[in-house]
Amino acid sequence: EAQVTQNPRYLITVTGKKLTVTCSQNMNHEYMSWYRQDPGLGLRQIYYSMNVEVTDKGDVPEGYKVSRKEKRNFPLILESPSPNQTSLYFCASSLSHRVGEQYFGPGTRLTVT
Amino acid sequence: AQKITQTQPGMFVQEKEAVTLDCTYDTSDPSYGLFWYKQPSSGEMIFLIYQGSYDQQNATEGRYSLNFQKARKSANLVISASQLGDSAMYFCAMRENPGANSKLTFGKGITLSVRP
Repeated sequence: EAQVTQNPRYLITVTGKKLTVTCSQNMNHEYMSWYRQDPGLGLRQIYYSMNVEVTDKGDVPEGYKVSRKEKRNFPLILESPSPNQTSLYFCASSLSHRVGEQYFGPGTRLTVT
Repeated sequence: AQKITQTQPGMFVQEKEAVTLDCTYDTSDPSYGLFWYKQPSSGEMIFLIYQGSYDQQNATEGRYSLNFQKARKSANLVISASQLGDSAMYFCAMRENPGANSKLTFGKGITLSVRP
């Protein structure tokens, strides 16, 4: 089954404790992206990747890192999480940056206390 | 200016009736794509329908159709024969000028409640 998976689905952590949210797709998609969803703000892009080893900042990249060492994986890293990073996070992928709808993962609900 | 505007705060529709969810957009790029996603209470984002700026016909996918009025920059979603399972948040999104980034710019969403 074609899908985007994220882990963990739910995470409660404390300020400053490094964490990684994994994202994997099995559709051989070139383009992958991370979004965060906050009430009243909709979804905003954090980082994106057009292909292996090619990543760039989106609209709200502060406090986040990403890597794209393999085509299928695009982890989101929070080196020192803060309470304002409490949010619902989505990973998405599409065939390329030019075509195809973006398929979303199930979401990761992160709470930073 | 907002790129995607969804002004209806909440919509109610009777089961089996049709409902239109409004979306207006703002772009100066001639090439862009418009998307609608559904987000049920469980939280996942489900792709519903896509309309390209150069498409001559309005997109349709089952009970979903997109009323695309390019001159007015509107891309309203029409759901026919509403079902209880259609109760969810609906987001309109746009992808423009797919040069370096194919990010989606989302509206703030509309809550749809289907009454039995």
